[in-house]
Amino acid sequence: EVQLVESGGGLVQPGGSLRLSCAASGFTFSRYWMHWVRQAPGKGLVWVSGIYTDESTTGYADSVKGRFTISRDNAKNTLYLQMDSLRADDTAVYYCASQRAPYTTTSVFDPWGQGTLVTVSS
Amino acid sequence: DIQMTQSPSSLSASVGDRVTITCRASQSISSSLNWYQQKPGKAPKLLIYTASSLQSGVPSRFSGSGSGTDFTLTISSLQPEDFATYYCQQSYSTPTFGQGTRLEI
Repeated sequence: EVQLVESGGGLVQPGGSLRLSCAASGFTFSRYWMHWVRQAPGKGLVWVSGIYTDESTTGYADSVKGRFTISRDNAKNTLYLQMDSLRADDTAVYYCASQRAPYTTTSVFDPWGQGTLVTVSS
Repeated sequence: DIQMTQSPSSLSASVGDRVTITCRASQSISSSLNWYQQKPGKAPKLLIYTASSLQSGVPSRFSGSGSGTDFTLTISSLQPEDFATYYCQQSYSTPTFGQGTRLEI
């Protein structure tokens, strides 16, 4: 069974840091572009960041550029999101999502993890 | 960034109804349009990709159409489990989502 499981969310003060992880299983993780998508409470979906199979290409939303860093460890089948200089408007559920097809760069997200909540508050 | 606008924002319907949700892009995106379903407290689920391709395992009552800037998601006969929020998303460039359409009884 294909599965993505996020962890690492929690409460952090403004200006603080947090590292999210997404453990993948049931598919050949190293072949897929991976993404982070977030959803603020009661709001819609917003793409945050994506990373190609070999980390050669990464992308970020303007709102997180320079503060967040996406990475992956293909040997551990794990995706990461290092979040620094966190702000109140970063409060959201963070989902990891896989590209639907291997080695493609067209952003179609399937499957998704269950999400991890990040709350930035003093 | 390409802006995606869905209409309506919310929709009341009944079991058995035929329902159509519209998504408009701020510029042409060819057929690079995907639809997701999200239920409360759950992750989104891919329904339709590249405008009209049904994701494996998704019931055939769901269908998508359109190209360029205007797209539709149609549910031919609503089932109780279809009451959810639906999002369109363009994959033509840096991905962006519509604001969502809440489908309720």
